[in-house]
Amino acid sequence: DAKTTQPNSMESNEEEPVHLPCNHSTISGTDYIHWYRQLPSQGPEYVIHGLTSNVNNRMASLAIAEDRKSSTLILHRATLRDAAVYYCILQGGSEKLVFGKGTKLTVNP
Amino acid sequence: ETGVTQTPRHLVMGMTNKKSLKCEQHLGHNAMYWYKQSAKKPLELMFVYNFKEQTENNSVPSRFSPECPNSSHLFLHLHTLQPEDSALYLCASSQDLREDLWPQYFGPGTRLLVL
Repeated sequence: DAKTTQPNSMESNEEEPVHLPCNHSTISGTDYIHWYRQLPSQGPEYVIHGLTSNVNNRMASLAIAEDRKSSTLILHRATLRDAAVYYCILQGGSEKLVFGKGTKLTVNP
Repeated sequence: ETGVTQTPRHLVMGMTNKKSLKCEQHLGHNAMYWYKQSAKKPLELMFVYNFKEQTENNSVPSRFSPECPNSSHLFLHLHTLQPEDSALYLCASSQDLREDLWPQYFGPGTRLLVL
């Protein structure tokens, strides 16, 4: 069973914010929430990760619900270069990352 | 540029051939990984190495043989592959195996076609 649920695809417009949702209702207290993205013809790229508190870095923000059963990756100002498949991954303890199908983000000019 | 390079970028091989994929990381990391990404399927972890020692083999067929001579280099030796082994093979590295602390950095992959 998949540990996370993401929409198959989303569209956004250039220079607008994008909110990518992820549901993880079976998350345990020690599971981290990781986000990676994969641009066309490239390997995956780390975006951000967090445990309980919201996180910000130069690429994105991660908003984690208070009950931790869902999270949202926020791209503050989408560019064409942000078009990619975005993966939300739960990882706990010594587990390795398990990639799902992700959300394919299309950015319209 | 992620600091992880893979060669070749594209490879076509017959089922009786023997070939090797090479991965090199210039990041000073201690852990290295091989993944397989087939068309329309999620990434699958194949092997994990930490300080040159294999720590994980996810039931990968023996026709795939990894080698890690040092922490900077990782090879995947291929022999008698099947057409269904055609896929994108991705290498990654991280500081160590603590996923909660250190992200993985991926190379661009080798696109393999088995005829």
